[in-house]
Amino acid sequence: NAGVTQTPKFRILKIGQSMTLQCTQDMNHNYMYWYRQDPGMGLKLIYYSVGAGITDKGEVPNGYNVSRSTTEDFPLRLELAAPSQTSVYFCASSPHYEQYFGPGTRLTVT
Amino acid sequence: GQQLNQSPQSMFIQEGEDVSMNCTSSSIFNTWLWYKQDPGEGPVLLIALYKAGELTSNGRLTAQFGITRKDSFLNISASIPSDVGIYFCAGPGEDGGSQGNLIFGKGTKLSVKP
Repeated sequence: NAGVTQTPKFRILKIGQSMTLQCTQDMNHNYMYWYRQDPGMGLKLIYYSVGAGITDKGEVPNGYNVSRSTTEDFPLRLELAAPSQTSVYFCASSPHYEQYFGPGTRLTVT
Repeated sequence: GQQLNQSPQSMFIQEGEDVSMNCTSSSIFNTWLWYKQDPGEGPVLLIALYKAGELTSNGRLTAQFGITRKDSFLNISASIPSDVGIYFCAGPGEDGGSQGNLIFGKGTKLSVKP
């Protein structure tokens, strides 16, 4: 039981490039989330999903897109990377309130 | 909107000391969660509380769900160096009942006393 896995662990992007951050969970949780955490700050919710085919915006969705075609996977897409998107991105899943986090993806946009 | 205020923002610990921190809100929460985040890692769930007055332990950690339902407390007994990290409280938002969304505090950072 691997829990929540995220790839890649690190990535450097140039301004304007696009990429997809992958997130997979093997706990059969319906709820999945994407957060960003800036240095020394708390977690900000980007997008969330309550089940396959259902996604909704969180606090800071601009510049990001998500999809949820299966229960297990919840990829986060950055279309036109900007320096303001430099952050650590965490994916989480939960059966309801108790969220379980992945190890994070550290993204730098230069 | 709802906010969770954590206190203290940071503290230094010496091995063997007991540590206390709290989380308060101006509105009622029905669930309280405590997480720990080590540097470079994702937050790890430590304790979940579901009823006012509930006291739950996880090893040397004890958390309490305040009677008013507007606060929660986390205590660490006999601290050790690996207790260093950032501790977050969290709870479901007013509209989080069906989406499982959580509101997170800004964290209490534990460091080793120099």
